[in-house]
Amino acid sequence: QQQVKQSPQSLIVQKGGISIINCAYENTAFDYFPWYQQFPGKGPALLIAIRPDVSEKKEGRFTISFNKSAKQFSLHIMDSQPGDSATYFCAALDSGSARQLTFGSGTQLTVLP
Amino acid sequence: NAGVMQNPRHLVRRRGQEARLRCSPMKGHSHVYWYRQLPEEGLKFMVYLQKENIIDESGMPKERFSAEFPKEGPSILRIQQVVRGDSAAYFCASSSGQGDTDTQYFGPGTRLTVL
Repeated sequence: QQQVKQSPQSLIVQKGGISIINCAYENTAFDYFPWYQQFPGKGPALLIAIRPDVSEKKEGRFTISFNKSAKQFSLHIMDSQPGDSATYFCAALDSGSARQLTFGSGTQLTVLP
Repeated sequence: NAGVMQNPRHLVRRRGQEARLRCSPMKGHSHVYWYRQLPEEGLKFMVYLQKENIIDESGMPKERFSAEFPKEGPSILRIQQVVRGDSAAYFCASSSGQGDTDTQYFGPGTRLTVL
């Protein structure tokens, strides 16, 4: 019940295209959903996050869509750039109890020039 | 740079030796989390600490692993008698402990290789 399932495992997109990464969860106590971006040899960096009281959040080229009834959320990267090539992790947190983030397995995004 | 600092960045140990990983949280942060990342996998929670207290160690293996966050100095994750399966990247994160979401900021990690 603590799992967060992420897909696809890898994604190749042309420059200027839209990258879409999906996550699903089971634990209805999760109430905070951040996305992290990780470059090789670096630590994860917070990209964007959403609470379940909104269905969408946009920051620049990055948008989170959230479907509470389906227990799914997704990251959309518009106008994808080669510099976006990295591994993306979705995560979930139950802020009412444990503070541990539960991470998805990651999506390796490659944006071709 | 007031970010989360971890050292060493790379650590090589032989089987049976001890590994000590250090984490200095961001300035003003009093909450520290340790996560482990195996190759090609996501991060897995290990332990959550506040100054001088272990709050949640539900993700920590019962044997050989220990963590502390003393009143002074960095948080330390200690792995005794390392085995090859301990080879992984170990990430520390810190947060302020304030607010509902209490964003966690990650350090660059320590990559442990056990020979």
